[in-house]
Amino acid sequence: NAGVMQNPRHLVRRRGQEARLRCSPMKGHSHVYWYRQLPEEGLKFMVYLQKENIIDESGMPKERFSAEFPKEGPSILRIQQVVRGDSAAYFCASEPGSGNTIYFGEGSWLTVV
Amino acid sequence: TQLLEQSPQFLSIQEGENLTVYCNSSSVFSSLQWYRQEPGEGPVLLVTVVTGGEVKKLKRLTFQFGDARKDSSLHITAAQPGDTGLYLCAGGGSGGSNYKLTFGKGTLLTVNP
Repeated sequence: NAGVMQNPRHLVRRRGQEARLRCSPMKGHSHVYWYRQLPEEGLKFMVYLQKENIIDESGMPKERFSAEFPKEGPSILRIQQVVRGDSAAYFCASEPGSGNTIYFGEGSWLTVV
Repeated sequence: TQLLEQSPQFLSIQEGENLTVYCNSSSVFSSLQWYRQEPGEGPVLLVTVVTGGEVKKLKRLTFQFGDARKDSSLHITAAQPGDTGLYLCAGGGSGGSNYKLTFGKGTLLTVNP
């Protein structure tokens, strides 16, 4: 039973480019979460998605960030016009239903140069 | 804003020693999780505690949830080099959102052989 799969594991982007991070939840998990870990900071909740629905995006920056979890395929976290401050580790987590244990992926490390 | 304060921030000990790390908050949480994170990897869940006063043991690790569900501790007996890592606590359920975990910044433990 494969865990939460994230790709790419490492991504380098120049300022102004777009970053797309993908997450395939564990088999049978319909709830996906994205968290961000900035240098010297704890993990911070960004967004909670179910298939084709954004349930809670209260942790997402108001501009340049978007997330989706389509009916088919992985969840995508998209960052447009990246800036240096977006450099961080982005973690996806999934669970089969609300209230269960959530499992984290290994993360995608974004570096903006 | 809910905060989880972890102490100490850094801890370096010799193999065989015992240690305790702490996680404190002014907020009440419905559950508290402890994770271990290794460099370049995602957090791996160690335990979830949900009842005030609850104690859980995982081999040489003992976890306790405070009676008021505002604090927790992790005690490791006879530490081994393999215990080295970043220990994170995360509170869930404060304010009704069990999925929106509040993470501490972690305790970085180094166990020297």
